[in-house]
Amino acid sequence: EVQLVESGGGLVQPGGSLRLSCAASGFTFSRYWMHWVRQAPGKGLVWVSRIKSDGTYIRYADSVKGRFTISRDNAKNTLYLQMNSLRAEDTAVYYCARDEDLGGYSNFDYWGQGTLVTVSS
Amino acid sequence: DIQMTQSPSSLSASVGDRVTITCRASQSISNYLNWYQQKPGKAPKLLIYTASSLQSGVPSRFSGSGSGTDFTLTISSLQPEDSATYFCQQTYSIPYTFGQGTNLEIK
Repeated sequence: EVQLVESGGGLVQPGGSLRLSCAASGFTFSRYWMHWVRQAPGKGLVWVSRIKSDGTYIRYADSVKGRFTISRDNAKNTLYLQMNSLRAEDTAVYYCARDEDLGGYSNFDYWGQGTLVTVSS
Repeated sequence: DIQMTQSPSSLSASVGDRVTITCRASQSISNYLNWYQQKPGKAPKLLIYTASSLQSGVPSRFSGSGSGTDFTLTISSLQPEDSATYFCQQTYSIPYTFGQGTNLEIK
């Protein structure tokens, strides 16, 4: 059974840092592109970042570029999101999602349960 | 960035009704369009990919159509468990943008 389990969320002050993790199981993690998507309370879904199966082809949303860093450890089956210089507007539930990548067509076929990040003083 | 606009933002329908949600892209995205269902407090669930392909395990009352800029998600016979928010998503180009969501309520 495919499972994605996020951790690392919590309350942080503006300007602070957090590192989110997404532990994958039930599939060959090293073969899949992965994404982070966030959802502010009561709002819609916003794509945050993407990383290819081998750790290359990294892309970010403009709103987080230069502050967030996506990475992965295929030996540990884990995806990461390092978040620095956090702002109030980064407050959201952060989801990791697997990209099924069907011949160049991306879709997010499995999602974690999400981890809440709250940026507040 | 490609803007995705869904309509309506919310709707209320009865069990057994046929329901259609539309999604319009600000430029042509071919069939790089996915639909997700999200229930309160839960992660999104993939329903439809590449505009019209039904994800494994999703009931056949869900269907998708469209290409280019205009897309639809149809529920042929609404069930109580279909109460949720529905999002479209384009994966034609980064950033992979989502529609603002359609909140579907069962009367």
